[in-house]
Amino acid sequence: DIQLTQSPSFLSASVGDRVTITCRASQGISSYLAWYQQKPGKAPKLLIYAASTLQSGVPSRFSGSGSGTEFTLTISSLQPEDFATYYCQQLNSYPPMYTFGQGTKLEIK
Amino acid sequence: QVQLQESGPGLVKPSQTLSLTCTVSGGSISSGSYYWSWIRQPAGKGLEWIGRIYTSGSTNYNPSLKSRVTISVDTSKNQFSLKLSSVTAADTAVYYCARGSMVRGVIITLDFDYWGQGTLVTVSS
Repeated sequence: DIQLTQSPSFLSASVGDRVTITCRASQGISSYLAWYQQKPGKAPKLLIYAASTLQSGVPSRFSGSGSGTEFTLTISSLQPEDFATYYCQQLNSYPPMYTFGQGTKLEIK
Repeated sequence: QVQLQESGPGLVKPSQTLSLTCTVSGGSISSGSYYWSWIRQPAGKGLEWIGRIYTSGSTNYNPSLKSRVTISVDTSKNQFSLKLSSVTAADTAVYYCARGSMVRGVIITLDFDYWGQGTLVTVSS
């Protein structure tokens, strides 16, 4: 099974900062990676799919990059509403199984 | 706008079967190339995929839960359901239903684009 490892697990930053979260896959997954944002008590929200495509309605300060085994989610200028937990996710082709990274909690410094 | 809503008991006794239903509105569960999944999240922990179903009835399950999970679909009601048997306290979690997208335009996606709000299921006597 393919494992996803996010780093860091916790991140403290200030409004206006540029932050980057990394997701590493244990095997190559081409560009089949998605990023989600989850706020307390809410369902995850799709931000980025296919590694770098912004989901409709998501602010352009979010961006994704990478392919193969290393991927990044970047927030160019943190806004107060961006403090949340972020997850990466991929789908194993065989047997079909979705896996998520362990999450990165982004907190206000 | 597609919406998903989970429903079912919030409290289940140990060794019993957890049963949840997800009702899809704003679109037919049979239209398009979508898989319909269940995902859970214990308090303060990460996300765990449980399994998925296609409207043909084809299913895939997380190997760690496969022996206890059954997912079914009722296209006439625009619903799909989860049954998890022999539950223990370790199955206490918020359970989400979600739509799994395979392609968006010409881009292969393999993500979850719509989610229910989640429902807390507690396993306790």
